[in-house]
Amino acid sequence: DAMVIQNPRYQVTQFGKPVTLSCSQTLNHNVMYWYQQKSSQAPKLLFHYYDKDFNNEADTPDNFQSRRPNTSFCFLDIRSPGLGDAAMYLCATSRDAGNGYTFGSGTRLTVV
Amino acid sequence: GQNIDQPTEMTATEGAIVQINCTYQTSGFNGLFWYQQHAGEAPTFLSYNVLDGLEEKGRFSSFLSRSKGYSYLLLKELQMKDSASYLCAVRLNTGKLIFGQGTTLQVKP
Repeated sequence: DAMVIQNPRYQVTQFGKPVTLSCSQTLNHNVMYWYQQKSSQAPKLLFHYYDKDFNNEADTPDNFQSRRPNTSFCFLDIRSPGLGDAAMYLCATSRDAGNGYTFGSGTRLTVV
Repeated sequence: GQNIDQPTEMTATEGAIVQINCTYQTSGFNGLFWYQQHAGEAPTFLSYNVLDGLEEKGRFSSFLSRSKGYSYLLLKELQMKDSASYLCAVRLNTGKLIFGQGTTLQVKP
């Protein structure tokens, strides 16, 4: 089945140690999004790729970076995770920017 | 700025009907989505409204009034598995999806 896959499902990292979360999709959608969702809060958009064009939200910390080497894959890099970065990270895709999103299962990040 | 408001929590009884309201004030509007999210899982799509009126989909219906900046999600014949968080999300003209904080629904026997 066509889908959005996030790996790993759970990630534990040490304070300050770089960590990378991955997202892949078989839907051939041209737009990919990364959201951060903290406990009992709304998902917050960090950035998105429209094809190869990277779009950063104004309030996304510099600590967060993203790479999209091809249509199928997108990575979220956290350069120096802090305790406040512990959250669920959701990847989503859409065909163009005006259509519904398909979400991956999310990666729950714990910082110790 | 963007503002989407939903009640934080609701409780209902199995077999009953519940209505979850959402009001929004956004710079631009290009549709409203409702998602269901079980604890620790990703949101799953429930419904979509872009024109005023009611959209029905089995036990779930969603209503939109653009002039009032208002939507609701109606869940009928509640089941225990409907206990989850329900997220209202507005799509802006840029295509971005902005989420409300979600309404946690608890269904009791």
